Amino acid sequence: EAQVTQNPRYLITVTGKKLTVTCSQNMNHEYMSWYRQDPGLGLRQIYYSMNVEVTDKGDVPEGYKVSRKEKRNFPLILESPSPNQTSLYFCASSPQGLAGDLQETQYFGPGTRLLVL
Amino acid sequence: ELKVEQNPLFLSMQEGKNYTIYCNYSTTSDRLYWYRQDPGKSLESLFVLLSNGAVKQEGRLMASLDTKARLSTLHITAAVHDLSATYFCAVDPNTGGFKTIFGAGTRLFVKA
Repeated sequence: EAQVTQNPRYLITVTGKKLTVTCSQNMNHEYMSWYRQDPGLGLRQIYYSMNVEVTDKGDVPEGYKVSRKEKRNFPLILESPSPNQTSLYFCASSPQGLAGDLQETQYFGPGTRLLVL
Repeated sequence: ELKVEQNPLFLSMQEGKNYTIYCNYSTTSDRLYWYRQDPGKSLESLFVLLSNGAVKQEGRLMASLDTKARLSTLHITAAVHDLSATYFCAVDPNTGGFKTIFGAGTRLFVKA
């Protein structure tokens, strides 16, 4: 089944304790992206990646890191989480590549609900 | 600042009625997307609009795009309870990168 998976789905942690949220897609998509969803704000893009080793900042990258060492995986790293990073996080992927083709829709993972105490 | 504004943000309507959700954006863009999110769920793609004047329809939903006015509409015809969800529009700004900017979402509740 074509899908985007995220782990963990729920996470409670404490301020300053490094964590990683994994994202994997099995559709051979070149484009992957991370969003956070907060009430009343819609989704805000954190980082995106056009292909392996190619990443760029979205609108709210502060406090986050990403890496794209393999095409299928795009982990989100919080080096020192703070309470204002409590949110619902979505990973997404899309077939669009660096060739600049018109972007197709993004396929979203199930979400990771993070609580930072 | 790049902005995508949806209105209304909350909509309660009776079954059988028609209504339109509006999505205005502040930058040039040739690509606009509509997504649906059910409570506690992920986002599901509804429409991809790629050119000025594009119109797409799926069941009781019809989306259109006017790139000159920087406006997209999502029209609901004869609403049914199953359409209750949050609807997001999203834009890829023509800024040379590959960002995506989402609106705040329109929470739709269809009363039986």
